Amino acid sequence: DIQMTQAPSSLPASLGDRVTITCRASQDIGNYLRWFQQKPGKSPRLMIYGATNLAAGVPSRFSGSRSGSDYSLTISSLESEDMADYYCLQSKESLLTFGSGTKLEIK
Amino acid sequence: AVQLVESGGGLVQPGKSLKLSCSASGFTFSSYGMHWIRQAPGKGLDWVAYISSSSGTVYADAVKERFTISRDNAKNTLYLQLNSLKSEDTAIYYCARFDRVGTYWGQGVMVTVSS
Repeated sequence: DIQMTQAPSSLPASLGDRVTITCRASQDIGNYLRWFQQKPGKSPRLMIYGATNLAAGVPSRFSGSRSGSDYSLTISSLESEDMADYYCLQSKESLLTFGSGTKLEIK
Repeated sequence: AVQLVESGGGLVQPGKSLKLSCSASGFTFSSYGMHWIRQAPGKGLDWVAYISSSSGTVYADAVKERFTISRDNAKNTLYLQLNSLKSEDTAIYYCARFDRVGTYWGQGVMVTVSS
């Protein structure tokens, strides 16, 4: 099974900061990588698909990138509404795997 | 609009069974593969199972042999049969549809396994 190693688990940051969350895949997953945002008591929301594509309605301060087996989600200038949990998901195989999650919180 | 509504959760004793349902509307249900995903209290997302439009199935190792995903296209409903439940199966269970450029999730249903 493909393992997704996500870091950091917690990310204290200030409004206006540029922040980056990373997932490393244990095997080649191509660009079959999505990023989700989840706020307390809510269902997850798709932010990035295909490793680098912005989902519909997602602000342009969010971006996704890939370097080899490392995938990153970057927020260029943090806003208060971005405080949430973030998860990566690989869908290269039918057996999907999520990263362990990153809690983005105000410093 | 696409809508997914889960039901059937509740409190169940260890070793017992439960069947979850996910009622789908707003799209041609029979044309799409569907997923179940769960989230234990205070924990991360955990993919559980997938059923294709042609009813092929895939399971996470943790639930293989205990859970069964199925669908009834005439009723536009997805199911998850949970057998031999353990305390570690306590979670919110979501049904979801993943498209190439979007995803749709239900609101989730809580399953609590406790004596």
